[in-house]
Amino acid sequence: DAGVIQSPRHEVTEMGQEVTLRCKPISGHDYLFWYRQTMMRGLELLIYFNNNVPIDDSGMPEDRFSAKMPNASFSTLKIQPSEPRDSAVYFCASRTGGTGNTIYFGEGSWLTVV
Amino acid sequence: AQSVAQPEDQVNVAEGNPLTVKCTYSVSGNPYLFWYVQYPNRGLQFLLKYITGDNLVKGSYGFEAEFNKSQTSFHLKKPSALVSDSALYFCAVRDIGDDKIIFGKGTRLHILP
Repeated sequence: DAGVIQSPRHEVTEMGQEVTLRCKPISGHDYLFWYRQTMMRGLELLIYFNNNVPIDDSGMPEDRFSAKMPNASFSTLKIQPSEPRDSAVYFCASRTGGTGNTIYFGEGSWLTVV
Repeated sequence: AQSVAQPEDQVNVAEGNPLTVKCTYSVSGNPYLFWYVQYPNRGLQFLLKYITGDNLVKGSYGFEAEFNKSQTSFHLKKPSALVSDSALYFCAVRDIGDDKIIFGKGTRLHILP
């Protein structure tokens, strides 16, 4: 299995620009999670989907952030407009349903906003 | 709401010595508990989990963890540390009936040659 695939791996953008991060979950996984990792706040859950439907977006920092999952094999996290404080590593993760199933992470998208 | 605490930001251990990375949790019901490891510039990799049954769980790379319900702890252990074990370790908890997994702040493990 190819695992969770994220793109881009690295992005440097200027403040005010739109940023789109992409994720392809593991085939057959019906849960998808977006996390953000920073030195100050650690690993934060931003939003998660079940069967392509957003279930909990309470971790999304503000209206500048949005996430979609148009089908079972693709999700995006968009930041518009981006700010320097959005600089972080963004991880996508997925798992199957069921008791205690493990979530598997992608390699992350390393975002720097200058 | 569930939460997890890793009280140590960093742990230093000499190679060959046993290591312990501490984790305590808080949930309203019964927990599912996980340990992940992160190497530099990489994603998180699954090490082991406790769902039910035997309190001692064995995982990848010789790691194990012990679930202690009375102390609400799930400490990660290894009998003999390797330099290659140096990494960032995350404990995570999921409450039964909840889809979300919440992670601790992470503990940086340094194995000294």
